[in-house]
Amino acid sequence: EAQVTQNPRYLITVTGKKLTVTCSQNMNHEYMSWYRQDPGLGLRQIYYSMNVEVTDKGDVPEGYKVSRKEKRNFPLILESPSPNQTSLYFCATSGGNTGELFFGEGSRLTVL
Amino acid sequence: QKEVEQNSGPLSVPEGAIASLNCTYSDRVSQSFFWYRQYSGKSPELIMSIYSNGDKEDGRFTAQLNKASQYVSLLIRDSQPSDSATYLCAVKRPGGYQKVTFGTGTKLQVIP
Repeated sequence: EAQVTQNPRYLITVTGKKLTVTCSQNMNHEYMSWYRQDPGLGLRQIYYSMNVEVTDKGDVPEGYKVSRKEKRNFPLILESPSPNQTSLYFCATSGGNTGELFFGEGSRLTVL
Repeated sequence: QKEVEQNSGPLSVPEGAIASLNCTYSDRVSQSFFWYRQYSGKSPELIMSIYSNGDKEDGRFTAQLNKASQYVSLLIRDSQPSDSATYLCAVKRPGGYQKVTFGTGTKLQVIP
């Protein structure tokens, strides 16, 4: 079954405590990206990756890091989380540069 | 001006009616257009893609694109209560990177 798996699904943490949200896909997709979804602001792209070792900033990259060492994995790193990073995060993949995205189930992050 | 604009709704239609969802975009070079459906608490799911002017039909769904007016719409015929969800319009610019911009979504309520 085609899957994009995110972990953790829910997390409450405190300001400044580094965390990583993992994303793994089993579809051999080249493109992977991270979005955050906030009420009234919709889905906004944080970072994207076109292939292994190729990443670039999206619209709201501040406070986030990513890496793409393997094709199937694209972790999102919050080095020093702040309350304004409280959000619902989605990892998405695409088999080509089509814009047709396949989303993971989402990770709800709360930073106190 | 937002890159992709949608009326947030809610749009309420009776069961069996046609629901009409609209979206405008600001970047004239955009070439790929998408409709995603998002149920409450779930991840977005691609339901329609459209790349050229005109209509594209898939079952009860019809996507309409008018590039001259920078306008995309989604018609849902014979609306069902199970269609109640938020519908996200998304636009992709041409090029070698995965830049997909989303609208904030229109909430659709189908009344039994």
